[in-house]
Amino acid sequence: GQQVMQIPQYQHVQEGEDFTTYCNSSTTLSNIQWYKQRPGGHPVFLIQLVKSGEVKKQKRLTFQFGEAKKNSSLHITATQTTDVGTYFCAPPGGYQKVTFGTGTKLQVIP
Amino acid sequence: DTGVSQDPRHKITKRGQNVTFRCDPISEHNRLYWYRQTLGQGPEFLTYFQNEAQLEKSRLLSDRFSAERPKGSFSTLEIQRTEQGDSAMYLCASSPLWQGLGAGGELFFGEGSRLTVL
Repeated sequence: GQQVMQIPQYQHVQEGEDFTTYCNSSTTLSNIQWYKQRPGGHPVFLIQLVKSGEVKKQKRLTFQFGEAKKNSSLHITATQTTDVGTYFCAPPGGYQKVTFGTGTKLQVIP
Repeated sequence: DTGVSQDPRHKITKRGQNVTFRCDPISEHNRLYWYRQTLGQGPEFLTYFQNEAQLEKSRLLSDRFSAERPKGSFSTLEIQRTEQGDSAMYLCASSPLWQGLGAGGELFFGEGSRLTVL
């Protein structure tokens, strides 16, 4: 089956520093989604990437989908304490189904 | 509030007891998903419905787990003869009908039902 790894597992940054999490798949993906889960909260959809080499921005967040559609990344510029949480990449897990990676837990030190 | 709602939010039970969770999806969403999440892990897929039809059930799900969506609206997840390993957050999500794998498919999650089995 499809294997997706997300790195790093944990990341501590000083407020104002940048942060990047990477999602790597062993197989080509038709699309990939990203979710954020705040401590004690539920996953919240951030974005979906579909096209090879696609780059999308949401304010300080930049999402990329690799040319081979096997990897994706989320980059946050100048982190804020509100960015704290776990970020999950979520590739398709089959027909009309989404699976979740292991997640990267981000801690922002004020 | 027109989001996904789940009930109860917390359930503490003794091993061997049966528990049932309810999920009310966003009204116009055809698809409904159940996930399980343990501490430090990502959500793990359990099963999903399109309208009232259960289209897929995870092979990891034992026969003690059953889910229904009788009228294509709310759904229930029942766990029979609970075990301590069933302790987790049970998340429900809904989604509008996808146009295909390459488009749509955003999941809207509820707050979850936290199960503790003693």
